[in-house]
Amino acid sequence: DTAVSQTPKYLVTQMGNDKSIKCEQNLGHDTMYWYKQDSKKFLKIMFSYNNKELIINETVPNRFSPKSPDKAHLNLHINSLELGDSAVYFCASSQDAGADTQYFGPGTRLTVL
Amino acid sequence: AQSVTQPDIHITVSEGASLELRCNYSYGATPYLFWYVQSPGQGLQLLLKYFSGDTLVQGIKGFEAEFKRSQSSFNLRKPSVHWSDAAEYFCAVGHSGGGADGLTFGKGTHLIIQP
Repeated sequence: DTAVSQTPKYLVTQMGNDKSIKCEQNLGHDTMYWYKQDSKKFLKIMFSYNNKELIINETVPNRFSPKSPDKAHLNLHINSLELGDSAVYFCASSQDAGADTQYFGPGTRLTVL
Repeated sequence: AQSVTQPDIHITVSEGASLELRCNYSYGATPYLFWYVQSPGQGLQLLLKYFSGDTLVQGIKGFEAEFKRSQSSFNLRKPSVHWSDAAEYFCAVGHSGGGADGLTFGKGTHLIIQP
């Protein structure tokens, strides 16, 4: 009964490909997030969704697009992958928007060759 | 804009010794503060959080943190570390003004436990 799950755990792909990472939460939370952790372990917010509405979008290339088919899912689609996209991507969720506690998934390690 | 500074990139502590990890934040309003731990190859687990009230907060695994507004700090402490505490520790600040802005993280402190 994992709270926040992500698939796949590892993803290895070639430059130029399009890939997706799935995220699901069974906590009944209203807000979901995607974070990127770079090779130096620095975590940065990429997107958040609240009630199917995109709340923020930081300086993320438009090759990245979050899609939420329902409140429990927030998938991350990446087009035309680049070497610099290699990182660990974390999904998270919280009950409310704002500063509520966020619960993180196990992460997806993306390697672009 | 909010920011978090963790001055120590690496800290080495002997097993059984006490631990203090430093965290300083910059935020214009009342901060919501968090400490997360990341074990190798794992996701982030919440250790503790401060929203309001008592400035000394207790968390899981025997950790505690103290919010000091005058010093803009939220240092994490543990009286006696165990080898299993070896991990990456992240301090984070949340936006209290509404809106899902996500958390702003520090760059992390890597904790090494010596036997």
